[in-house]
Amino acid sequence: AQKITQTQPGMFVQEKEAVTLDCTYDTSDQSYGLFWYKQPSSGEMIFLIYQGSYDEQNATEGRYSLNFQKARKSANLVISASQLGDSAMYFCAMRLTGNQFYFGTGTSLTVIP
Amino acid sequence: DVKVTQSSRYLVKRTGEKVFLECVQDMDHENMFWYRQDPGLGLRLIYFSYDVKMKEKGDIPEGYSVSREKKERFSLILESASTNQTSMYLCASRLLPNTEAFFGQGTRLTVV
Repeated sequence: AQKITQTQPGMFVQEKEAVTLDCTYDTSDQSYGLFWYKQPSSGEMIFLIYQGSYDEQNATEGRYSLNFQKARKSANLVISASQLGDSAMYFCAMRLTGNQFYFGTGTSLTVIP
Repeated sequence: DVKVTQSSRYLVKRTGEKVFLECVQDMDHENMFWYRQDPGLGLRLIYFSYDVKMKEKGDIPEGYSVSREKKERFSLILESASTNQTSMYLCASRLLPNTEAFFGQGTRLTVV
């Protein structure tokens, strides 16, 4: 069963604009964690941001913020002031109570100069 | 810096061969994971381990097994490689559940 859903296979954004990458999840666990990773064309996986299910504030890390809507089970990534180097695949991931760690199918982001 | 090292970057094996993919981490992490990454399918969890000799199946364990005899090493075994196991394999490790996972550089396996 799909636990993490990323419905945008590809996205385009103009340089310096903000972009939102969607992520919805499905779990009955009360305690879970949500992560976003970036994978450039080089293939490495780069951790961006984390949100715990009990965190009341949305997580922020520099230009990255996580729009966490618990009731809707969504954890969208917002990238502000896009840069050319932001072009990459972006994966949403979820950690469950039993330590499983699941990923979505990813969104390919292209930043246009 | 945390380092997760996968033994091979590229591997070509024949159908029916037994294949070992090795992953070593140097930060005493409890949890280790094996994923395969295919275009359009994202990363799919094959197996994970939360302690030495402990393992749990992920979403797609069929055709794979794992071994964790030492804390730092987590091996993925393809008992009899098939062409549909051609993929990018990623290993990851994590200290605690709410901390980031660190990934290896990946092994691109081609089964011919």
